[in-house]
Amino acid sequence: GESVGLHLPTLSVQEGDNSIINCAYSNSASDYFIWYKQESGKGPQFIIDIRSNMDKRQGQRVTVLLNKTVKHLSLQIAATQPGDSAVYFCADSNPRKGQNFVFGPGTRLSVLP
Amino acid sequence: DGGITQSPKYLFRKEGQNVTLSCEQNLNHDAMYWYRQDPGQGLRLIYYSQIVNDFQKGDIAEGYSVSREKKESFPLTVTSAQKNPTAFYLCASHPITGGKGFFNQPQHFGDGTRLSIL
Repeated sequence: GESVGLHLPTLSVQEGDNSIINCAYSNSASDYFIWYKQESGKGPQFIIDIRSNMDKRQGQRVTVLLNKTVKHLSLQIAATQPGDSAVYFCADSNPRKGQNFVFGPGTRLSVLP
Repeated sequence: DGGITQSPKYLFRKEGQNVTLSCEQNLNHDAMYWYRQDPGQGLRLIYYSQIVNDFQKGDIAEGYSVSREKKESFPLTVTSAQKNPTAFYLCASHPITGGKGFFNQPQHFGDGTRLSIL
């Protein structure tokens, strides 16, 4: 993920709507990508991952899309719930080349009742 | 329940003092990591370790030290040489399967230690 400075992007969605959170990465050699969810005062929790040989991967209520051409990753959350409110961030790496994870600063998701 | 335990949750450091953050895991994971998280920034890697008595520097190792005397434990010492230690520190781990090494699996994180300067 890319650093965008001190300001954390915010996304507000209505409960029940779908959320789309975006992430840009800078290393074209990255081939492994992860989305994490972090609640206030807690450690990050793994949500879903994807490797570069795939464009899309689905989990329970979540979908990750990978566009290697423009180095872009997105996380879609279906039927967003209040418990989804958190900071979401992506991480990318190239394990074969020993490139450690580069973490984005995250997007704060707020779910409105 | 298996997991990663970080302690203390809050820690205060005086000028010129070294402090040690604890990280213990009972997941039988081989790889362990320390990250620093600052407001509005992504996690930055301090140190990581694959096996007992072996560890590597990450991107911001200066002013920090670690040890790995036991598989389940990876304490981080913030030394007085670290001039800006105020941050949220996260410990993580994952198993190493198929001899594939680091950065190729999701990491399990502890709930962090918040370090502040008095």
